Parts: sequence; structure tokens; C-alpha cells
Amino acid sequence: GAVVSQHPSRVICKSGTSVKIECRSLDFQATTMFWYRQFPKQSLMLMATSNEGSKATYEQGVEKDKFLINHASLTLSTLTVTSAHPEDSSFYICSARDAASGGAGNEQFFGPGTRLTVL
Amino acid sequence: AQSVTQLGSHVSVSEGALVLLRCNYSSSVPPYLFWYVQYPNQGLQLLLKYTSAATLVKGINGFEAEFKKSETSFHLTKPSAHMSDAAEYFCAVSGNTGGFKTIFGAGTRLFVKA
Repeated sequence: GAVVSQHPSRVICKSGTSVKIECRSLDFQATTMFWYRQFPKQSLMLMATSNEGSKATYEQGVEKDKFLINHASLTLSTLTVTSAHPEDSSFYICSARDAASGGAGNEQFFGPGTRLTVL
Repeated sequence: AQSVTQLGSHVSVSEGALVLLRCNYSSSVPPYLFWYVQYPNQGLQLLLKYTSAATLVKGINGFEAEFKKSETSFHLTKPSAHMSDAAEYFCAVSGNTGGFKTIFGAGTRLFVKA
């Protein structure tokens, strides 16, 4: 149980285009999903917290108009990188918190990640 | 505010030797603490978590960690390293405030020598 999927796993796009990444909780409901960015050999940096049915909360320094997050259902959140540039190339990872877990443990389940390369 | 400090960006051990990866945390609320492992180009896998129950937490693959409040530490250990343990390890802290955000340490790369 507690599986999170991401699609696509790898995407290459041209500079100036937009890319959408999907994050799905396959066997549980996720009221909260998180989006992280990871540069090579570095840690995960939280970009935003996505709550189902409401606007995402972005971390300081993250451009909300560039990284559009939608969490329209309890099992799906999407991250759209708009007008992508080479500096947006990175590994993007989502995680989901099981709504049924309440506050205990705060465990998040991570997706396998999406490698974005902008040419 | 919460933060995590992992001491040592790289740790190298011989196969069969003790693995010790250090993590210190800072939290204004009772923390939940986690250790994750990441293999190249993959997501994160939970090794173990501390949720205010037993201070010595056992995880998968023979790993364990001890929560020491007085030292604000949550070091990860394994008695005998295997080649397959070579990976990146992240310590993380979370709490029941701030939207349940999880804050990650910088990571420690574990190398295992034959």
C-alpha cells in the first residue's frame, strides 16, 4: 500500500515550452501533497505544499507563476513548469500525506521523481 | 522553525563494518524524525521513523536509529555494512505545525568498500 506515482518519469523539452508533471496517490487519499526539487548531489528543497481544493502554499523564493500547482482531487496533484528554461532542469519529486493518518507520524510517501531537461 | 544537520557529506566504510550516519535536529515542537535512502535517479524510500514512542527505532534492511532528546540527535546505525547499502541517506524532521512540512538534511553519501 501507500504508493505514489509520477508521470512522466523523464521529459525533455525545448526552452519556452510548458511541462506538466502528475503526482498520483494510487491506494490512499492525500489531502496534502508536497513538491520538491532536487539538484544533482544536493538535498530535496521543498517548493510548495498543495492542499486539495485550495491554493498551494509556496516556499520563499519559489515563483508561483512559473510553477503552477493544482490539486483538484484527493489523489492527483499536478506541477506545471511554465515557459521552461535550462535552469529549470532538475529532478522533481512529489510526496503525499495519507489523510487517514491524522497527525501521527506525519509520514509522507514519495513518488519516484521526474527528470526534467530543458534544452 | 525546524532544521536538520547531517554531519559528513560523505562516509566511507568497509563491507562488514559499522555504519554510523549522524543527524542533529532543531525543532520548536515535538519532532517526528525520519531517515530516507535514495538510490541514483530514484525517489526516496523510508528506512525508519521516530514518532514519540520508543526512542530506539528499528527500520528496514537492518538499520536502526536512537532518538536522544538531550543531544537533539537521531543518528542512524547498522552493525554490518553491505555493498548494497551504498546510497544517499537523508535525515528529515517534521512536526504537527507548519502544514506538516518535512525538512530534509543535506544528505550523506555512503560508500561501501569491498
